[in-house]
Amino acid sequence: EAQLVESGGGLVKPGGSLRVSCAASGFTFTSYTMSWVRQAPGKGLEWVSCINSNDNYIYYADSVRGRFTISRDNAKNSLYLQMNSLRAEDTAVYYCVRDGGWLLNAFDIWGQGTLVTVSS
Amino acid sequence: EIVLTQSPGTLSLSLGERATLSCRASQTVASSYIAWYQQKPGQSPRLLIYGAFSRATDIPDRFSGSGSGTDFTLTISRLEPEDFAVYHCQHFGSSPPRTFGQGTRVEI
Repeated sequence: EAQLVESGGGLVKPGGSLRVSCAASGFTFTSYTMSWVRQAPGKGLEWVSCINSNDNYIYYADSVRGRFTISRDNAKNSLYLQMNSLRAEDTAVYYCVRDGGWLLNAFDIWGQGTLVTVSS
Repeated sequence: EIVLTQSPGTLSLSLGERATLSCRASQTVASSYIAWYQQKPGQSPRLLIYGAFSRATDIPDRFSGSGSGTDFTLTISRLEPEDFAVYHCQHFGSSPPRTFGQGTRVEI
């Protein structure tokens, strides 16, 4: 069974940094583009960033470009999001998601999420 | 950038009733890029519909998607207790950003 498990969330002060991770299992990680999607408390979903299987296709939402960096380690079946210069508005649950590919054009597997709280 | 507007914000219905949720795009989009997700309280979203019409794996047939151009609809034919949740539409697009609507809550 395909599974994504996030870790690394926590409380960080404004201006601080944090790296969240996602461990993938149950599918061929190297075959899929992966994304991060976040959800602020009581709010809707916001796509944050994506990376394709060989790192030559990386995109960011305008709200995080220049502050966040997505990366992956295919040998470890892992996805990462390095978050710098964090702001209060970055407070959210961060979900690791699998891009279902051109047949689905949708996110077909979601992790359970990890909460990032930016507060002094 | 495409903006998706979902309506209504909250839909109050009873068990067995039909639910009709709307998702309107700010410009014409390809149906193949419209997806719907269900999110129950305290849970991650789950893919329901992709390509505007196709049900994802293990999704019951009381869920159906329709629409074209700028107007898309998710219909739940007869509400079951487990269907009370928030529903999100998405324009996946040929390239990012992968835009979401603001969500519709279906409540009893």
